[in-house]
Amino acid sequence: QQQVKQSPQSLIVQKGGISIINCAYENTAFDYFPWYQQFPGKGPALLIAIRPDVSEKKEGRFTISFNKSAKQFSLHIMDSQPGDSATYFCAASRKNAGKSTFGDGTTLTVKP
Amino acid sequence: DGGITQSPKYLFRKEGQNVTLSCEQNLNHDAMYWYRQDPGQGLRLIYYSQIVNDFQKGDIAEGYSVSREKKESFPLTVTSAQKNPTAFYLCASRPDRGHEGYTFGSGTRLTVV
Repeated sequence: QQQVKQSPQSLIVQKGGISIINCAYENTAFDYFPWYQQFPGKGPALLIAIRPDVSEKKEGRFTISFNKSAKQFSLHIMDSQPGDSATYFCAASRKNAGKSTFGDGTTLTVKP
Repeated sequence: DGGITQSPKYLFRKEGQNVTLSCEQNLNHDAMYWYRQDPGQGLRLIYYSQIVNDFQKGDIAEGYSVSREKKESFPLTVTSAQKNPTAFYLCASRPDRGHEGYTFGSGTRLTVV
């Protein structure tokens, strides 16, 4: 019930391409879905987040698509750049739960 | 600037030694967390605290201990009972109990020598 499954484990994209990372959850009580970006040797940083009352949220080149009925959400990185090369984590939480549940991470490599 | 400060950045521990990792935040966040990250792996929750003088075990609490005497501080002690402590340790905080993302520190890399 508390799992968040993230795929793929690793992803290689050409510069200018679209990177897509997917997450699926089981607990329908989750109501906050953030994505984090982590560069090597650094702590993760909040990238973008969505609540289930909307199906899409866009911030610059980063978009979250949310499918409540399928219990899935995904991160799309448009016009991917080498500087986007990092590990991306999805997460899910519910109010008053105290902690988030994280996916296992996706290592993105954008080739020049 | 508000944020989370973890220290030291690098730490070396001898076999059988206890070491304490520091985590301080000036964000006025209620909840604080400790995660362990192994190379190429995800984030595993060690302990978390939602309020001063209270904390809960995470998924991998064995061999670790914490305290929360002040809202700003959440130190983690890696005890000699932790048999494989070499890892990257991340501290995080959040303003309330649900609808906000985490703010992470820059991490402490612990190595057993």
